[in-house]
Amino acid sequence: LAKTTQPISMDSYEGQEVNITCSHNNIATNDYITWYQQFPSQGPRFIIQGYKTKVTNEVASLFIPADRKSSTLSLPRVSLSDTAVYYCLVVSSGYSTLTFGKGTMLLVSP
Amino acid sequence: DTAVSQTPKYLVTQMGNDKSIKCEQNLGHDTMYWYKQDSKKFLKIMFSYNNKELIINETVPNRFSPKSPDKAHLNLHINSLELGDSAVYFCASSQDPTDFYGYTFGSGTRLTVV
Repeated sequence: LAKTTQPISMDSYEGQEVNITCSHNNIATNDYITWYQQFPSQGPRFIIQGYKTKVTNEVASLFIPADRKSSTLSLPRVSLSDTAVYYCLVVSSGYSTLTFGKGTMLLVSP
Repeated sequence: DTAVSQTPKYLVTQMGNDKSIKCEQNLGHDTMYWYKQDSKKFLKIMFSYNNKELIINETVPNRFSPKSPDKAHLNLHINSLELGDSAVYFCASSQDPTDFYGYTFGSGTRLTVV
């Protein structure tokens, strides 16, 4: 299972774009990159998933370069309510469970 | 309606007691999980059930016994509670064991052993 590395914490201000980069050097061919968000006192919530290039949904964008050894979660115009822990996960397309790392604590200030 | 609901939300108990946490999902999913989040915020898989059958059992003390009466319910019973069992326990569900696209987690049960 590919190990992921992401910053422990990030700070931002309301209205800014936030990019959180995750490295996963040992990602395998059948692995996908998945991001979850966790607010205090809540369970993690699925944000976005991708295999390569770019994926966008109503919440975020995910950029994955051709070598797939890293990925960047982009949150456009963050608000205070985006303060949370963001987890980058590498998930096999086979029979597997989610393995969470330490995540990135994003603090958005006014 | 809450998709994955756990009860109780908070549980404070003394060492040596036996306690249960209940989980129910109304999503029609086949697979359910128990995760433990410790004080350092690491989330780790404990158990996974698919259609009432145990499919994943990580290295968890046998004081922890999951039970799935039907595919919509997965309960966790803990015997002889220890201080180190204090953590937040999350229940989750997915369409099937290969559906990594979107786990749905409950809001957690904060267990404090004193």
